[in-house]
Amino acid sequence: DVKVTQSSRYLVKRTGEKVFLECVQDMDHENMFWYRQDPGLGLRLIYFSYDVKMKEKGDIPEGYSVSREKKERFSLILESASTNQTSMYLCASSLLVKTEAFFGQGTRLTVV
Amino acid sequence: DAKTTQPPSMDCAEGRAANLPCNHSTISGNEYVYWYRQIHSQGPQYIIHGLKNNETNEMASLIITEDRKSSTLILPHATLRDTAVYYCIVKKTGANSKLTFGKGITLSVRP
Repeated sequence: DVKVTQSSRYLVKRTGEKVFLECVQDMDHENMFWYRQDPGLGLRLIYFSYDVKMKEKGDIPEGYSVSREKKERFSLILESASTNQTSMYLCASSLLVKTEAFFGQGTRLTVV
Repeated sequence: DAKTTQPPSMDCAEGRAANLPCNHSTISGNEYVYWYRQIHSQGPQYIIHGLKNNETNEMASLIITEDRKSSTLILPHATLRDTAVYYCIVKKTGANSKLTFGKGITLSVRP
C-alpha cells in the first residue's frame, strides 16, 4: 500500500516561530502536494512539486515556502508563523502522469 | 483545468443508492473526471475516474453524459460509513499540473 506520512498529527507553535511540516512518501512518486483545509473553504493548494528541487506555486502560496531535496520528502515551511495559518495541512503524492493522489492523515497546526 | 459545480449537500437512506451530481460544462476533450471523498478527520481518498465511458469499480460507478458536461457518482448501496465530503475534479493527466479541489458535496447517509 502507498504510504504518505506526515511527521506530526497535532502541532502548536507560537506566532513568529519558523515551522517545518514534513511529508514522506514511500512509492517513488514524482508529484507531491501541500494543501490546507479550513471550514467552509475546502482544500486549497499551497505548493506542489513534480521533481526534486522543482516547485510550483499553488493557489495560496503567500506566507509559505517548500523544499524538495529528495524525491520522497516534501517539506512545507512557515517562515514566521501567524495565527491565520492555524489550519489542517494535508500532504499528497502521485505518479507524474496520473491524477490518482494519495494523501497523508494531516497535521492540525495551531498558532498561538 | 475546467471548473466543476456541485450542490453543497445531500442525504440518502442507508442501503439505498446515492447519486451525486457534478456539472463540468467547460470540460475539454482531454480532461478526465475524477472523484475523491474525504471522511471526517482523514485525508481525501481517490474513488474513480473516467474520460467518456462509464466506469465501475468496487467502490462506485461513474456515469458521464454523452456531451461530457456532467457526471454522476453512484454509490449503489450507501452505508453510514459513506458519510463524507465528495469532490468532483476535472483535470488533464500529465506533469506540471495542479490538482485542485473545490468545496465538494457533503453526503449524509441516514439510518
